[in-house]
Amino acid sequence: EAAVTQSPRNKVTVTGGNVTLSCRQTNSHNYMYWYRQDTGHGLRLIHYSYGAGNLQIGDVPDGYKATRTTQEDFFLLLELASPSQTSLYFCASSWGDNNQAPLFGEGTRLSVL
Amino acid sequence: KTQVEQSPQSLVVRQGENCVLQCNYSVTPDNHLRWFKQDTGKGLVSLTVLVHENDKTSNGRYSATLDKDAKHSTLHITATLLDDTATYICVVGDRGSALGRLHFGAGTQLIVIP
Repeated sequence: EAAVTQSPRNKVTVTGGNVTLSCRQTNSHNYMYWYRQDTGHGLRLIHYSYGAGNLQIGDVPDGYKATRTTQEDFFLLLELASPSQTSLYFCASSWGDNNQAPLFGEGTRLSVL
Repeated sequence: KTQVEQSPQSLVVRQGENCVLQCNYSVTPDNHLRWFKQDTGKGLVSLTVLVHENDKTSNGRYSATLDKDAKHSTLHITATLLDDTATYICVVGDRGSALGRLHFGAGTQLIVIP
């Protein structure tokens, strides 16, 4: 069954802390995405990738790094977390065209104190 | 500037009633529009996609329309159930390929009460 799995589901860290959010997809999709969702805003694209070793910058990349180690795994790194990065983070995967909807993970809620 | 506006922000209906959610956008070009359902604490799940001018789609109790001239879409939910309680998100794709971007609305929070 097609799936996108995120871990952890919840994370609390302190300002300046180092955080890694993980995402694994079993859909054989080429594209993977990291979004953040904040109240009153639509999802905003942080980084995306179209294959292992590839990384593309999204619309709100500042303060975030990402790495696509394999076709299945995409990581989001916050090396010096700030309170403004408190948010709900979603990973998604897709074939990259509009014929099929992207599949989303269930989200990681991150709190930076 | 927000390119996808949804209304209302929130809506409370009684089980069995019908409701209509609105989406207005300024994204150009507008290749397609998709409606997602997001249950509390969950990811987004696609309900339907509209591609062509004056498209209409139906998926069970969900039906949607798209007017590309007006850059406007509606999502109709018929005979609401308690399980319809969720946030409904309108997303406009500016291209059909991976070169494009998805533009997300902030969502309409629907609450269905007994």
